[in-house]
Amino acid sequence: DIQVTQSPSSLSASVGDRVTITCRASQDIRNYLNWYQQRPGRAPKLLIFAAFNLQSGVPSRFSGSGSETEFTLAISSLQPEDFATYYCQQSYSTPLTFGGGTIVDIK
Amino acid sequence: QLQLQQSGSGLVKPSQTLSLTCAVSGDSISSGGHSWSWIRQSPGKGLEWIAYVYPSGSTDYTPSLRSRVTVSLDRAKNHFSLELDSVTAADTAVYYCARDLTSGAFDVWGQGTVVTVSS
Repeated sequence: DIQVTQSPSSLSASVGDRVTITCRASQDIRNYLNWYQQRPGRAPKLLIFAAFNLQSGVPSRFSGSGSETEFTLAISSLQPEDFATYYCQQSYSTPLTFGGGTIVDIK
Repeated sequence: QLQLQQSGSGLVKPSQTLSLTCAVSGDSISSGGHSWSWIRQSPGKGLEWIAYVYPSGSTDYTPSLRSRVTVSLDRAKNHFSLELDSVTAADTAVYYCARDLTSGAFDVWGQGTVVTVSS
């Protein structure tokens, strides 16, 4: 199985901050990397697919980059509704696997 | 608008079978060109992909559950189902169904079903 490791596991930030989250894959997954946001009690929401493609309806302050084994999710200017948990997920091969999550909370 | 509506039992006894259904509206599960999945989430194991069912009805299962899981399509009802046999407390989780937008990215999710395995 391909392992995906997120860092940090949590971070504290203020409204307006730029935030970056990193995801590392245990092998080359080309650009088969997706990012999700999850709020408490809700299903995950797709933000970015195939490393850098913004899902329809997602604000442009979210962006994704990277390839092969290292990927980044960036939020350019954190908004109050962005305080949530973020997950990466590889879809290069089954079994599909998710990172452990990054909790973004208010400083 | 595409919606996935989950139904099924939220309490299952140990050694019995967990059964969930995901009713799809706004897309055809067999002719819309998308694949469908079950995913679960527990505090101990995080998000765990369980299975794919493809429009043809073929399936792909995660190895750790392959011996106990069955996923199927019901084209007439436009829904797909999950059965997990011989459950234990380790199967306690929130179970989600989801649509594969493209290449393994899930764009639409069901509301989630909290399943507790307990006698």
